[in-house]
Formats: sequence, C-alpha cells, structure tokens
Amino acid sequence: EDKVVQSPLSLVVHEGDTVTLNCSYEVTNFRSLLWYKQEKKAPTFLFMLTSSGIEKKSGRLSSILDKKELFSILNITATQTGDSAVYLCAFMKTSYDKVIFGPGTSLSVIP
Amino acid sequence: EADIYQTPRYLVIGTGKKITLECSQTMGHDKMYWYQQDPGMELHLIHYSYGVNSTEKGDLSSESTVSRIRTEHFPLTLESARPSHTSQYLCASSSDRGEAFFGQGTRLTVV
Repeated sequence: EDKVVQSPLSLVVHEGDTVTLNCSYEVTNFRSLLWYKQEKKAPTFLFMLTSSGIEKKSGRLSSILDKKELFSILNITATQTGDSAVYLCAFMKTSYDKVIFGPGTSLSVIP
Repeated sequence: EADIYQTPRYLVIGTGKKITLECSQTMGHDKMYWYQQDPGMELHLIHYSYGVNSTEKGDLSSESTVSRIRTEHFPLTLESARPSHTSQYLCASSSDRGEAFFGQGTRLTVV
C-alpha cells in the first residue's frame, strides 16, 4: 500500500528562523512528488520534483528529492508570518495519474 | 493563473435533499479530481477522471457520484444529503506535467 509520511506534523517558529519540512514516501511506480501550501482554502502549487538531487527554488523556498532514500525536504529560509500554513506533500504514480496527498505539516510563524 | 471554479462556495441544506456541487476549468485539462477535507484534517481523494466519460472512485469511500460529459465540467452529486456529508469539497484539475490546480472549495453543511 502506498504511503506518504510528513514530519513534523506541527511546528511553531519565530520570524526569521529557517525551517525544514520532511516528506518520506513508499510508493510503487513513483512518477513525481509535489509540494503544496494550504492557507485557508485550497492548496496552491509550490514545486514538482521528478529527478533526484536537483534543487528547485522559488524565493525563500527550496526543495529537493532523494529517490534512493525516498524522501523530499522543503526548506523555508527567513520565515515570515505569511508563511504560516499547512504544507502538503503529494505524489503521482506512473500507472495512474491520481494526485495523493500526505497528512501535511502545520507551520505557524510567530512575530 | 489557474482557472478552476467551484460553486457554490458555501451551502447549508437539509437532510435528504439532493445537491450538485459544480466544478469547471478552462485550462483544457483532461484530469480532474474531487477531494474531501474536514477542518484541520487531511485531503482525501473521493473521485477522479482521466477525461470525458471516464470516472473512477478515489481512496476514500463516498456516497457521492460524479459525471464527466464535457472536458471542462466535473460535477459532484449527493442524491440524499446527510449530516455525515458535512465537509469541505475541493475540486482540482491537473496538466500532463502533473501539478494540480484547485478551486476555492465548497463548504457543505447538512442540517
């Protein structure tokens, strides 16, 4: 059975801190891993990772995938209160194109 | 900018009523999804579609049904609403590359 585990489940940091969110997976026929940010309503897309070792960056956010060890990390540097959200890790498989989500990490950034 | 729309945004309805949640996208995506999410909880896939006339059940059992008669339209129907159906319903579509784009969600309350 496919499995996605995110850690920590909840995190509280101060503005300016750097955080690392973890996503590990056990998925057959893995195709790609995706990161999303969910604030109040719908998730918004952050990154899609298909190849190992290639870092994706967008401003203060970056992510990398390790297909050998079956995990991905999402880094946020110099956190701001606007980064407070649930960060969702998801995957897609080659055999069918469902997007399956992990439980999420709830990040709270306090001033 | 993602163009995927859900209506209504909020719905309060009595037990036993039939309801249809609408979802439309203008991106020409073949793949569309319905997720169910309770407050503070995980996203669960309840239905997905690969294209016109294709629908599949997701990982979470649901009493709802879907149809895909047109590429851009993926409505979800509950024949007889019950309080246990109270939840947020999120519609998404994805490109061939994989990243999913979400509508703003419908928050359903059955009283």
